[in-house]
Formats: sequence, C-alpha cells, structure tokens
Amino acid sequence: GENVEQHPSTLSVQEGDSAVIKCTYSDSASNYFPWYKQELGKGPQLIIDIRSNVGEKKDQRIAVTLNKTAKHFSLHITETQPEDSAVYFCAASITGTASKLTFGTGTRLQVTL
Amino acid sequence: KAGVTQTPRYLIKTRGQQVTLSCSPISGHRSVSWYQQTPGQGLQFLFEYFSETQRNKGNFPGRFSGRQFSNSRSEMNVSTLELGDSALYLCASSLEPQNTEAFFGQGTRLTVV
Repeated sequence: GENVEQHPSTLSVQEGDSAVIKCTYSDSASNYFPWYKQELGKGPQLIIDIRSNVGEKKDQRIAVTLNKTAKHFSLHITETQPEDSAVYFCAASITGTASKLTFGTGTRLQVTL
Repeated sequence: KAGVTQTPRYLIKTRGQQVTLSCSPISGHRSVSWYQQTPGQGLQFLFEYFSETQRNKGNFPGRFSGRQFSNSRSEMNVSTLELGDSALYLCASSLEPQNTEAFFGQGTRLTVV
C-alpha cells in the first residue's frame, strides 16, 4: 500500500521567514495530494491540495509543488505569522473509486516572534 | 453552512465495554470516512461509507465497525474496548468518493481506562 514520509518532524522559524515541509510517497498511482493544518484540540483543516496533472498551486502565502517523477511534494509558507503555528500533515490518495487518505507523520511548525 | 459534527467530543470507557461514535457530514456530502489519530501511529484510515455501503476498509480488527444511514450520517462502533483504542477518532466528509476533498470534524477523544 501507499507510504508517505514527511520531514521535518519539527520546524521553528521566525515570524516573516518562510517554512518548507517535504513529503515523499511510494505509490506512483497516487494522484491527489492535500495538506492539512491541525491546531490543538481541533480536527485537521484542509489548507491546499494539488492533483497530479499540476506541478504547482498557490493560494496567497501558501504554495504546494509536486514532482511526479521523484514522487515528492512540498508545502511552502511565506511570510509566516504566529497563527501559522500548528501541526501540518501531508497526505496522498488515488481518486476514482474511493477516497482513502494516507497521511504523513506530521510537522510541528512553531513561528516565533 | 455547518461543518462536520461529531458527538460526543469526549468519552471515557472501561476496558471490555463498547462505544458508538456519531458523525453528521456537511450538508450535501454523501461520503463519510473515519480515521484514528494516536501519537504513535498518526492518522490511520478506518473505513469509508457511501450510499449506506462500506466502500473501503483499513487494517483494523473486526471490533471496529461502522454504518451509514440514508441521510448520510454515520456511526462507528468499537466493541470489547482495549487500552490501545484510546485515540482521537476523526470523521471526514466529502461530496462523493470520487471527489477527494475531505473535510474533518473536531473528533471524538476516546479514553479507555
């Protein structure tokens, strides 16, 4: 089955700096890659996603890139703010017949003042 | 519109008991998936329901079961609880299985003592 690895497990950046989180996946059939943000005491919140027919997607300060050949995708957060502090999860799935997300192990991002 | 609603938010049960958790998806969403989140294993897929039918199942023992009603609301049941079942149980809803944008509820925190 699919396996998703995520790095780093913790990341500390100063406010205003950029943060990058990287994931690799094993199943070349995976074609949908969402990113979730989870704050303490809450469920994961979908913040951005990318499909395999696209190499990059951007939404304000957040961008995701996908390299299908290397089977890795990354989350980029620019101009980080304290409210960006949370745990971020990448995931992979195969669209079509069913939706089953395989998650990475999470990255705890801390944005310091 | 209202998001995914999970009840109860917190639950404490004794080993050997059984428990039922409830999930109401976003209005109009017909696919419901369940995930277990623990510090050690991360986010793991339990099962997915669409049109009252289980369409996909993760690698969990038969003590974990679920169902979906005609109004798309879903319940999951865990029988003969074990200490290791203590976890945050998350429900995610999406329009259909083919539409993999999944939105999570806040989860039910189950503690088995």
